Amino acid sequence: NAGVMQNPRHLVRRRGQEARLRCSPMKGHSHVYWYRQLPEEGLKFMVYLQKENIIDESGMPKERFSAEFPKEGPSILRIQQVVRGDSAAYFCASSPSARSEQYFGPGTRLTVT
Amino acid sequence: DQQVKQNSPSLSVQEGRISILNCDYTNSMFDYFLWYKKYPAEGPTFLISISSIKDKNEDGRFTVFLNKSAKHLSLHIVPSQPGDSAVYFCAASGGSNYQLIWGAGTKLIIKP
Repeated sequence: NAGVMQNPRHLVRRRGQEARLRCSPMKGHSHVYWYRQLPEEGLKFMVYLQKENIIDESGMPKERFSAEFPKEGPSILRIQQVVRGDSAAYFCASSPSARSEQYFGPGTRLTVT
Repeated sequence: DQQVKQNSPSLSVQEGRISILNCDYTNSMFDYFLWYKKYPAEGPTFLISISSIKDKNEDGRFTVFLNKSAKHLSLHIVPSQPGDSAVYFCAASGGSNYQLIWGAGTKLIIKP
C-alpha cells in the first residue's frame, strides 16, 4: 500500500511564475490536508479538502493560493505569481476520516529565485 | 497566539536512557493529541496519539502522558536509541478545529 505521494520533490520557480504542487493520498483516504513549513518553524495548516470540496481554508492566504481535490486525480496546491516569501517546504497529508491521524508525504521544497 | 508550545528547541540524551519531550497547550477545547517524528528532508511520521478521555497511552518504547488540568502532555521514549534522533512535533485538535495545531518541534539528539 503506497503512502502519500507528492511531486515534484523539488521545484524552482522565478518570481512571478506559477507553482503547481501535486498530492496523491493513501489508498482509501478521502481527506487531504496541506501544510507549509518555513525554516526553523513548525508546520502551519493551510487547507483541508475532501473529494471535490474545500472544508477549511482558514490557513491559506486569500490571494495567489488555491487548492483543489477533484473527483479523479491528485490534489493540487497552486501558487500564482510566486514571491521569495513562498519558498518553503509544502507537505500534504491524508487521513481516512476527519480527526483521525494524518499520514504525510515527503514534501515539495519550493525555491523561488 | 501559539496554542501548542514546545518550549525546548533541543534535547540531548544518552543512548539507553529515557527521553522526555514536553508539550503545553492553551486551548481547553483540544481533545486529541498526537506526536510526530520528522527526519530532515522527509515528511512527519505519526508516532502515537491520545484522546482526552485517557491520561496515558503506550506503544512499545513510546508512552504519551496527558495532564488535562495542567494542559500538558509528554512523550517518553525508553530506552532511547540512535535512530530516535529527529525532530519531534506535538499536535492537537478539538472543538471546531479539523486541522492539527502544531508545536514548533523539539530536536532530540541521542548520544552514543
